[in-house]
Amino acid sequence: EIVMTQSPATLSVSPGERATLSCRASQSVSSNLAWYQQKPGQAPRLLIYGASTRATGIPARFSGSGSGTEFTLTISSLQSEDFAVYYCQQYNNWPKTFGQGTKVEIK
Amino acid sequence: EVQLVQSGAEVKKPGESLKISCKGSGYSFTSYWIGWVRQMPGKGLEWMGIIYPGDSDTRYSPSFQGQVTISADKSISTAYLQWSSLKASDTAMYYCARIGAGTPYNAFDIWGQGTMVTVSS
Repeated sequence: EIVMTQSPATLSVSPGERATLSCRASQSVSSNLAWYQQKPGQAPRLLIYGASTRATGIPARFSGSGSGTEFTLTISSLQSEDFAVYYCQQYNNWPKTFGQGTKVEIK
Repeated sequence: EVQLVQSGAEVKKPGESLKISCKGSGYSFTSYWIGWVRQMPGKGLEWMGIIYPGDSDTRYSPSFQGQVTISADKSISTAYLQWSSLKASDTAMYYCARIGAGTPYNAFDIWGQGTMVTVSS
């Protein structure tokens, strides 16, 4: 099973600042990586797939990069609605595992 | 509108059986894989397994193999997750989600609203 490790566990950021979240795979997952956003009491929402392709309706301030084992989600200028938990997921190998999440909180 | 609508919250006792549902609409239900994801209270997301309603091809995570059964009834565009004997540790929110392509090698693009399962004596 591929282990996905996200860092940091919690990121404190001020509105308008840039946030950079990391996700590392225990072995290569090519570009078969997705990022999800989950707000309290809500289902997760797909942000990025294929490591760098924004899902439908996702603002351009969200961007993804990386391939192989190292991936990054960048939120260029944090808005109030962006404070949430973010998960990465690899879908290259069975089972298709998630990272443990990064909570982005208001500084 | 493409959507997945899940059945309502359940409260059960240990040892009881349970089957929760996920109804798809707004797209060709038989052409997309559907998966189930567990989220225990205050914890992260866990990938449980997926099913292709077109032919009922089913894949499980080793962590959930033998613990749950995933099925689908394509005639009513509904996927299911069931337990034969619940444990307190099954208490969690369960999400169904659609994989955004006709292959299992893609992300979950549409999510249901979640079904909370509480198992307590």
